[in-house]
Amino acid sequence: AQSVAQPEDQVNVAEGNPLTVKCTYSVSGNPYLFWYVQYPNRGLQFLLKYITGDNLVKGSYGFEAEFNKSQTSFHLKKPSALVSDSALYFCAVRDAGTGGFKTIFGAGTRLFVKA
Amino acid sequence: KAGVTQTPRYLIKTRGQQVTLSCSPISGHRSVSWYQQTPGQGLQFLFEYFSETQRNKGNFPGRFSGRQFSNSRSEMNVSTLELGDSALYLCASNQRTVQETQYFGPGTRLLVL
Repeated sequence: AQSVAQPEDQVNVAEGNPLTVKCTYSVSGNPYLFWYVQYPNRGLQFLLKYITGDNLVKGSYGFEAEFNKSQTSFHLKKPSALVSDSALYFCAVRDAGTGGFKTIFGAGTRLFVKA
Repeated sequence: KAGVTQTPRYLIKTRGQQVTLSCSPISGHRSVSWYQQTPGQGLQFLFEYFSETQRNKGNFPGRFSGRQFSNSRSEMNVSTLELGDSALYLCASNQRTVQETQYFGPGTRLLVL
């Protein structure tokens, strides 16, 4: 069975400082990994994904994530946080071998960036 | 390219009623997934449709059903509504090939009284 863990309910960071939002996953086969962001009263907005290839993935708005197979992690990072980055972030995983789009999401991490 | 459209955006129903939600995916996408988002349970997978066939199903009771039409538009139906069905229902338009990306609509917020 697939699962995703986001160990932190909330992350607080000062504007201009680097941020990290943690994610670990579990799948039977090879993983497809994703990060999404959700602003209040909005749907999910795609940030970045790991399908195959380079372990360091760059996405929208300066975000990046590193796929670490040995630690089964896919942490989201940004070198310099902005107040506008404050939102709810979801990590998600899909088993590449199962076919289809049954994506499992983590519980979400709320990011607060203080000016 | 138009995005994912979900209608209605807001809905208020009473217990025991039924509801139908609609999703129009991005043009060219043949797969649609549905998710329920609640504060307590987070984002939970409901089902996925591809070319009018249900391809995957989550762990929801039979009161939750869906279908997909030949133009890829999808509907989900919830019968005999319960208070716990109050949630944001999100539809994703799924892009196959190497992209493997899901694009989400704005959601339908359902309140059951």
